[in-house]
Amino acid sequence: DTEVTQTPKHLVMGMTNKKSLKCEQHMGHRAMYWYKQKAKKPPELMFVYSYEKLSINESVPSRFSPECPNSSLLNLHLHALQPEDSALYLCASSQDNGRAGRNEQFFGPGTRLTVL
Amino acid sequence: AQSVTQPDIHITVSEGASLELRCNYSYGATPYLFWYVQSPGQGLQLLLKYFSGDTLVQGIKGFEAEFKRSQSSFNLRKPSVHWSDAAEYFCAVAQADRGSTLGRLYFGRGTQLTVWP
Repeated sequence: DTEVTQTPKHLVMGMTNKKSLKCEQHMGHRAMYWYKQKAKKPPELMFVYSYEKLSINESVPSRFSPECPNSSLLNLHLHALQPEDSALYLCASSQDNGRAGRNEQFFGPGTRLTVL
Repeated sequence: AQSVTQPDIHITVSEGASLELRCNYSYGATPYLFWYVQSPGQGLQLLLKYFSGDTLVQGIKGFEAEFKRSQSSFNLRKPSVHWSDAAEYFCAVAQADRGSTLGRLYFGRGTQLTVWP
């Protein structure tokens, strides 16, 4: 199984809502990533988890709260978002075996988020 | 920090024609290079990667890329394009963060490929 799954596929939320994005992989990967991608732009790294611990936070606003409950699951909790947060949110996973840079990232299909 | 340049924002080719997408990178050491493809509303799929060794790399879907250190380039090629190749193509270079076992991907801005029937 070389698949990263993400749910939901689409999400529309108001600025006062609380919602969560979910990502799952069963490849035995120990690193998981959240990216934000605006239209016609490359993905921007938000968070990285390594062995279920937050390894990188790219100065993301606190209205985005990541969580890694186990090695297969990655969540992104959303609260009080702004319309400019509307984007495609991509999850990725990779091995974390010390071969930094050589570990291919496998991407999920993304969640298309619209904030009204 | 590393940087990746994809000079072509949009390329249009006829089906059956050859394709070359350009990518230049800036990196001091030996780079780890990737090409990803993204169809509309989808995630990124890895086409091919280069770490070391043979500078001509074969990937999926009939794509290949050539690493040229002297030109700091990693151009993607396909001899005969199919209509299903229409998508956004991203070149990326990976760098290991200091003290980290992981590599951070730096993406180019992407090249949108349109294929005429």
